[in-house]
Amino acid sequence: AQSVSQHNHHVILSEAASLELGCNYSYGGTVNLFWYVQYPGQHLQLLLKYFSGDPLVKGIKGFEAEFIKSKFSFNLRKPSVQWSDTAEYFCAVTYNNNDMRFGAGTRLTVKP
Amino acid sequence: DAGITQSPRHKVTETGTPVTLRCHQTENHRYMYWYRQDPGHGLRLIHYSYGVKDTDKGEVSDGYSVSRSKTEDFLLTLESATSSQTSVYFCATEGDEQYFGPGTRLTVT
Repeated sequence: AQSVSQHNHHVILSEAASLELGCNYSYGGTVNLFWYVQYPGQHLQLLLKYFSGDPLVKGIKGFEAEFIKSKFSFNLRKPSVQWSDTAEYFCAVTYNNNDMRFGAGTRLTVKP
Repeated sequence: DAGITQSPRHKVTETGTPVTLRCHQTENHRYMYWYRQDPGHGLRLIHYSYGVKDTDKGEVSDGYSVSRSKTEDFLLTLESATSSQTSVYFCATEGDEQYFGPGTRLTVT
């Protein structure tokens, strides 16, 4: 079955540190890729998405992600995190239009 | 924000009772989804709908049913709630991306 893996369950960083969250998926065909963020007590919000084209995708709030097809990866990066980035981050993959699979999530804590 | 509301936002119920959660959207999106969110599992798809009266099962559909009699409403029913269905339930709709509602926290005691 198709699956999405996020290897980091909890990441703790100090402000201004660089961030990279890993995401790998298992399907070898055409996929669409997403990163969502969930701030405490809130619903999921889209950070960025990749459908096709330039594999380096820029999203909101200074986040970016790189699609590496050969590695089945779509890692999320931010060069300098802020305290307000404290949240849970979910990678998601659609294998067709109707089947979105989510990773288990990575909780990010940014210390001021 | 795609104008998605969920009701109720919080509910506590007893094992064996029926429960219906409602999702309402104002964007006229064709596709609607119900997910549950549990620690360590992320979000898992329960059921989805691709139009009025058109629904299909997701990854974790056992114990749940859905109905969509109008474009704007997608109902999720637990016919006989169990403690394993304690979770946070999110509705989503799909335009050019999936938009999520605020969630319903359901506790089954």
